[in-house]
Amino acid sequence: RKEVEQDPGPFNVPEGATVAFNCTYSNSASQSFFWYRQDCRKEPKLLMSVYSSGNEDGRFTAQLNRASQYISLLIRDSKLSDSATYLCVVNRGNQFYFGTGTSLTVIP
Amino acid sequence: DAGVIQSPRHEVTEMGQEVTLRCKPISGHNSLFWYRQTMMRGLELLIYFNNNVPIDDSGMPEDRFSAKMPNASFSTLKIQPSEPRDSAVYFCASSLSGGEKLFFGSGTQLSVL
Repeated sequence: RKEVEQDPGPFNVPEGATVAFNCTYSNSASQSFFWYRQDCRKEPKLLMSVYSSGNEDGRFTAQLNRASQYISLLIRDSKLSDSATYLCVVNRGNQFYFGTGTSLTVIP
Repeated sequence: DAGVIQSPRHEVTEMGQEVTLRCKPISGHNSLFWYRQTMMRGLELLIYFNNNVPIDDSGMPEDRFSAKMPNASFSTLKIQPSEPRDSAVYFCASSLSGGEKLFFGSGTQLSVL
């Protein structure tokens, strides 16, 4: 079983829409959780950390459910510039485990 | 602050040649990771170092691949001899230990003809 599983999409949404991505992880001992964003032909960049209490950064909201081993990312009021691949990342010990990424295209 | 610095940005070489990729982690970070990314396989961990010591190299594809970290500010990934199937983007990343955030370099686009 993969450490981290994501729906690869693609998600094609109109500007202004709300879109949610989900991710599950297999090891309950996982300690830290992140969402990364990767643009075409660029390196992954940290979007936000994910905390048990949930956290928000502008239009982005991340949630963690440790009991269900489930992480989510909600993007409100989608912009064209949000088009990218979103990677779910889980840390355990000193190892980082990446999902395969979810592709998002925001359409004018 | 300077981020993770990789060189070269692009490398085109012929099959059988030796390729050396270089990485300078963020100052103060004590963990360094080498990843390879392809469309087919996504992002794969090749090897990671903690305090300059290789901890897990189980992702290194075969003996043609080797990595070193002679000091806290420099690491190399070497492929000898290179093969066309090694063509990919190679990323270096660094972090503080203990599950802190991971920061990536801009990557090296390797093409082996």
